[in-house]
Amino acid sequence: AQKVTQAQTEISVVEKEDVTLDCVYETRDTTYYLFWYKQPPSGELVFLIRRNSFDEQNEISGRYSWNFQKSTSSFNFTITASQVVDSAVYFCALSERGTYKYIFGTGTRLKVLA
Amino acid sequence: DTAVSQTPKYLVTQMGNDKSIKCEQNLGHDTMYWYKQDSKKFLKIMFSYNNKELIINETVPNRFSPKSPDKAHLNLHINSLELGDSAVYFCASSLGTSGSGDEQYFGPGTRLTVT
Repeated sequence: AQKVTQAQTEISVVEKEDVTLDCVYETRDTTYYLFWYKQPPSGELVFLIRRNSFDEQNEISGRYSWNFQKSTSSFNFTITASQVVDSAVYFCALSERGTYKYIFGTGTRLKVLA
Repeated sequence: DTAVSQTPKYLVTQMGNDKSIKCEQNLGHDTMYWYKQDSKKFLKIMFSYNNKELIINETVPNRFSPKSPDKAHLNLHINSLELGDSAVYFCASSLGTSGSGDEQYFGPGTRLTVT
C-alpha cells in the first residue's frame, strides 16, 4: 500500500532562517515517483519538483533543495534563507508506476515571519 | 492563457440540489483528475481519466458522476448534495504517459459550500 507521511503539521520560522520539511513514504513498488507541491494562501497548487525512484541525486533550484534517500524512504525539502513569500502549505506526494494514482501527504504549513 | 481552468470558482447551494463543476485543460494532456480538499487541507484523489476513459474511482459515492466529453474536458456532476460535500474541488491534468507519474497541473479550485 502507498502512504506518505508529513509529520510536521506546522512550522514557524523567522525570515532568512533555513527550514527543512520532512516527507517519508511507503511503497512496495521499485518504480515510483515523488513530488512536492506548494499551496500558497491564494489556494492554487503549484508543482515544485518530480523525482523518480532511480534518481537519488539531490537537486537544487535557487533557494530550494531536495534530499532523496531511498534507504530511509525520505524525500525532504529544504528552503534556504526563507522569505515571507514562502509561507504556504507544502505537500509531498507519491505515485507508483502505471497506477495513475497520486497519494498526497497531509501537508506542512510553513509560516515565515518577517 | 490558463492551463487548467475550472468554473465556477465558488458554488453555494442547498442540501439536496444537483450541481456541476466544469474543467478544461489546454496543455494537450491525456489524463485528467478530480481531487477533493477538505477543511483540514487533506487532498484526496476522486477520479482519474485517461483518454476519456475512467481509470480510477476512489470509492466515491455514486452521487458523484464525472464525464469526459473529450480529452481536454472533465466535468463533475454531483447529485443530492450533502453537507459533507462542502470542500474545495480541484481538477488537474498530466501528460499521462502510461501512468508514469507525470507531474500534475492543477486548476484554481472550486469552493463548494452546501447549506
